[in-house]
Amino acid sequence: KQEVTQIPAALSVPEGENLVLNCSFTDSAIYNLQWFRQDPGKGLTSLLLIQSSQREQTSGRLNASLDKSSGRSTLYIAASQPGDSATYLCAVTHAGNMLTFGGGTRLMVKP
Amino acid sequence: NAGVTQTPKFQVLKTGQSMTLQCAQDMNHNSMYWYRQDPGMGLRLIYYSASEGTTDKGEVPNGYNVSRLNKREFSLRLESAAPSQTSVYFCASSEWTGMNTEAFFGQGTRLTVV
Repeated sequence: KQEVTQIPAALSVPEGENLVLNCSFTDSAIYNLQWFRQDPGKGLTSLLLIQSSQREQTSGRLNASLDKSSGRSTLYIAASQPGDSATYLCAVTHAGNMLTFGGGTRLMVKP
Repeated sequence: NAGVTQTPKFQVLKTGQSMTLQCAQDMNHNSMYWYRQDPGMGLRLIYYSASEGTTDKGEVPNGYNVSRLNKREFSLRLESAAPSQTSVYFCASSEWTGMNTEAFFGQGTRLTVV
């Protein structure tokens, strides 16, 4: 059974810091890995998708890496802003087009 | 573009009542999913439908039923609501292209069972 873990569960940083969110998964047989953002009381917005054959994806200040063999992904946020405050979720797509989610990292960026 | 649309957005039920959560997508995706999200537990898969006419149980199917009405619509039914089903429910859809698949989510239904 695929299990996805995100560390830390919560993170508070001052504005301007660079930060790294971690995601690990137990079964390396994945099709891709997605990072989502969720604002309080809202749905999920896809930030980055990394295919299993890729090592990283970048979008603006966000960079996601994938090491499939070790079952790890990181989401790097450069020059954090208060508007980045949200919960960040990673999810892997595996057999049967199934998505399994981690528990999320709740990020607070203080002005 | 509407993407994935869920109704209702909010609902309060009494224990034992029944209701159906509706979900529709306009992206012509084959796969659709129902998740529930509880504090500290991330999203857990209730049921999914790989294609029109098929449905399968996910991680937490007990107390729920689903119907894939057509390619666009995938509904989730609670036959006899229980307080343990108080949660936020998300519908999602995706399409496997042979090289990639990306999931898209609705805005969620916040359900309270009293």
